[in-house]
Amino acid sequence: DAGVIQSPRHEVTEMGQEVTLRCKPISGHNSLFWYRQTMMRGLELLIYFNNNVPIDDSGMPEDRFSAKMPNASFSTLKIQPSEPRDSAVYFCASSSGLAGGPYNEQFFGPGTRLTVL
Amino acid sequence: GQSLEQPSEVTAVEGAIVQINCTYQTSGFYGLSWYQQHDGGAPTFLSYNALDGLEETGRFSSFLSRSDSYGYLLLQELQMKDSASYFCPDGHNQGGKLIFGQGTELSVKP
Repeated sequence: DAGVIQSPRHEVTEMGQEVTLRCKPISGHNSLFWYRQTMMRGLELLIYFNNNVPIDDSGMPEDRFSAKMPNASFSTLKIQPSEPRDSAVYFCASSSGLAGGPYNEQFFGPGTRLTVL
Repeated sequence: GQSLEQPSEVTAVEGAIVQINCTYQTSGFYGLSWYQQHDGGAPTFLSYNALDGLEETGRFSSFLSRSDSYGYLLLQELQMKDSASYFCPDGHNQGGKLIFGQGTELSVKP
């Protein structure tokens, strides 16, 4: 298996522009997670899906952020409009654990390094 | 808020043994996971303790005491490549999600 695939790997954009990050989870996994990592805040969970349905979006910082999972093999995280403080590494992860289950080994993608100027 | 605590930094020398502690503020958590992240890379799963006691995987061991809400990761025969951040994410009653936090940055010196 190719693992979790994320694109782009690097993104540089200007403040105010729309940014779309993409993720393809491991085939057969039913949970998908979006994280953001910065030096200041560590690794934060933004949102997660189970069976393509958003279960918990309490980590989404504000309305500028939105995430979708139209099918089991694809998810997007969109920031519109982007701001310099959104600069971070964004990770997507997937797992085969049941929502609410105690064992949730997560497999992370390589991340997207976003820089907003 | 964050319900677990781990040291922010640990330094050790090559060949030594180091223990990274993880303390939960809440009780009754399901189990303890550990993840490793090298600088610039993706977090990767190391171990999971469902029950109390010690789990060993090569040079790495993980321990859990549910009654004490405490666990640790033990790294033996340290190598330079072990320099990384280590996370014990909180999965207690989180509905399938893990809360990672800042992690512990381990620096292995020659």
